[in-house]
Amino acid sequence: EAGVTQFPSHSVIEKGQTVTLRCDPISGHDNLYWYRRVMGKEIKFLLHFVKESKQDESGMPNNRFLAERTGGTYSTLKVQPAELEDSGVYFCASSQYQLSEKLFFGSGTQLSVL
Amino acid sequence: AQKVTQAQTEISVVEKEDVTLDCVYETRDTTYYLFWYKQPPSGELVFLIRRNSFDEQNEISGRYSWNFQKSTSSFNFTITASQVVDSAVYFCALSGVRFGAGTRLTVKP
Repeated sequence: EAGVTQFPSHSVIEKGQTVTLRCDPISGHDNLYWYRRVMGKEIKFLLHFVKESKQDESGMPNNRFLAERTGGTYSTLKVQPAELEDSGVYFCASSQYQLSEKLFFGSGTQLSVL
Repeated sequence: AQKVTQAQTEISVVEKEDVTLDCVYETRDTTYYLFWYKQPPSGELVFLIRRNSFDEQNEISGRYSWNFQKSTSSFNFTITASQVVDSAVYFCALSGVRFGAGTRLTVKP
């Protein structure tokens, strides 16, 4: 069974540019989550999809971040325009049920904004 | 407010030593879940254990054991007879929303 897949694994962009991160969850998992970790800090929750609907987006930093999950399958997280403080590792995770269950994580996307 | 604190940023031990990773949490919820995840060098976090707030029994799985104490709001993780393959970053989490900053464990041969 394929795990959670994230693309790209690394992205280096300049301030002001746009970047789109993609996450393919485990097939059949209705719940999809995005997190971000800045070096040495905690893994910060960004948002939670149940199928194609946003269940909780309380962790999204600001309106430069846009997450979508078309058809309840893969998800994208777009940052436009990117700022220096957006640098970090963006993790995606999925689960069959909700946050009380264990999460399956992708390997993350290392985003560097220069 | 919910919070998870992993006070130990880095720990270094020699193989076969026992090591305990601390986790202290804060929550006002009466029902909650605590997790530990391991992040090996490959990057993805791997689930280790889940505990619900009504189950304070300690758990042992091979060389791993977990000590959950509601009285001190702690959920500590002990590795007995550590091995080089245990080297990783370990995260404690509260209900999947709040994660600690992680503890980097290095086990030297």
